[in-house]
Amino acid sequence: GNSVTQMEGPVTLSEEAFLTINCTYTATGYPSLFWYVQYPGEGLQLLLKATKADDKGSNKGFEATYRKETTSFHLEKGSVQVSDSAVYFCALTPGFQKLVFGTGTRLLVSP
Amino acid sequence: DADVTQTPRNRITKTGKRIMLECSQTKGHDRMYWYRQDPGLGLRLIYYSFDVKDINKGEISDGYSVSRQAQAKFSLSLESAIPNQTALYFCATSDRDRGAGELFFGEGSRLTVL
Repeated sequence: GNSVTQMEGPVTLSEEAFLTINCTYTATGYPSLFWYVQYPGEGLQLLLKATKADDKGSNKGFEATYRKETTSFHLEKGSVQVSDSAVYFCALTPGFQKLVFGTGTRLLVSP
Repeated sequence: DADVTQTPRNRITKTGKRIMLECSQTKGHDRMYWYRQDPGLGLRLIYYSFDVKDINKGEISDGYSVSRQAQAKFSLSLESAIPNQTALYFCATSDRDRGAGELFFGEGSRLTVL
């Protein structure tokens, strides 16, 4: 089956620290991979995506590389800001427009 | 104005009551979804619709029903609400031409069943 495993949170960082949120997946076939972000009181928004192995998705300073050999799609940012505090969801789709989400990782950034 | 609008945003009800959550969108997308979010469980798909005449069950459809009244409207009903249906519910849309997995979410409807 298809599933996504994310590191448990919360992840607590100081402003300007380096961020990594781990995500690994299990899938049949060749899925597309996504990171969504949920700011407090809001719905989810697509942050970045990668559709094939070795692709790097990037947006707003966040990056993630599709690693087929390790079945991973870790989210990174070089210098986090307080405004990055949110819940981050890793997700995959095996290609028929149904997303499978991980459980989410809460990020708390303090000044 | 939001492109994907959910009503109500918050609702408290009692066990056994019928509840309807409504979703409307102005994005012109043909595909619509209902998800449920629970702490520690992420988002789980309840129902999805790829066009007005196409309704499909997701992974947790028991106890729920849906209606696609028009391309822009997709409603979720709980015929007889129970406490374990207390959750945050999200409607989402996507465009068949945009690519798999790119969903646009509403702001959510928080439902509490007492």
